[in-house]
Amino acid sequence: QVQLVQSGAEVKKPGASVKVSCRTSGYTFSNYGITWVRQAPGQGLQWVGWISAYNNNTKYAENVQGRALLTTDTSTSTAYMELRRLTSDDTAMYYCARNPSADFWGQGTLVTVST
Amino acid sequence: DIQMTQSPSTLSASVGDRVAITCRASQSIDSWVAWYQQKPGKAPKLLIYKASFLESGVPSRFSGSGSGTEFTLTITGLQPDDFATYYCQQYIFYSYSFGQGTKLEIK
Repeated sequence: QVQLVQSGAEVKKPGASVKVSCRTSGYTFSNYGITWVRQAPGQGLQWVGWISAYNNNTKYAENVQGRALLTTDTSTSTAYMELRRLTSDDTAMYYCARNPSADFWGQGTLVTVST
Repeated sequence: DIQMTQSPSTLSASVGDRVAITCRASQSIDSWVAWYQQKPGKAPKLLIYKASFLESGVPSRFSGSGSGTEFTLTITGLQPDDFATYYCQQYIFYSYSFGQGTKLEIK
């Protein structure tokens, strides 16, 4: 069965970077993309970016452009999201989901940015 | 960027009711809309893709319609398990965005 398993919660200081992993199984990784979505506490869903696992094409939301980096490792069927220069506004639950219609989701990774 | 305007933000209804949630896109997105259900502390769950296609395993009381800029999610015969928050999402041109969400509450 299709599964996306994310890495554990992170606590970071402002200005630091975080890297979240999303290990997939149960399907051919390179046939799909991975979308990243975040949700601040008590807020709605916000799209972060997308990466093709076929050719590593990426697209980012404007508010993380230049700070976010999406990558994949096809040898382990894992996608990564790195976010740099963290601020308190980046505190959120981060989800990965299988593209294009986000039919399967990871369990979420809580990233907390705090002094 | 394409904006998705979802309404209402809150909806109160009773078990057995028929309810509708709408999303309006800021420009035409053909049928590239999905609808998700989210419960507290859980990842969203795909209900509808490409505006009107029911995801496998989703009860048939959920339906989607629309194209271009206007889209609707309808739930016919609300069940207790349906009280949750619902989001629309457009996914055209690999630049995605969500509606603000609709919290469906028990009246």
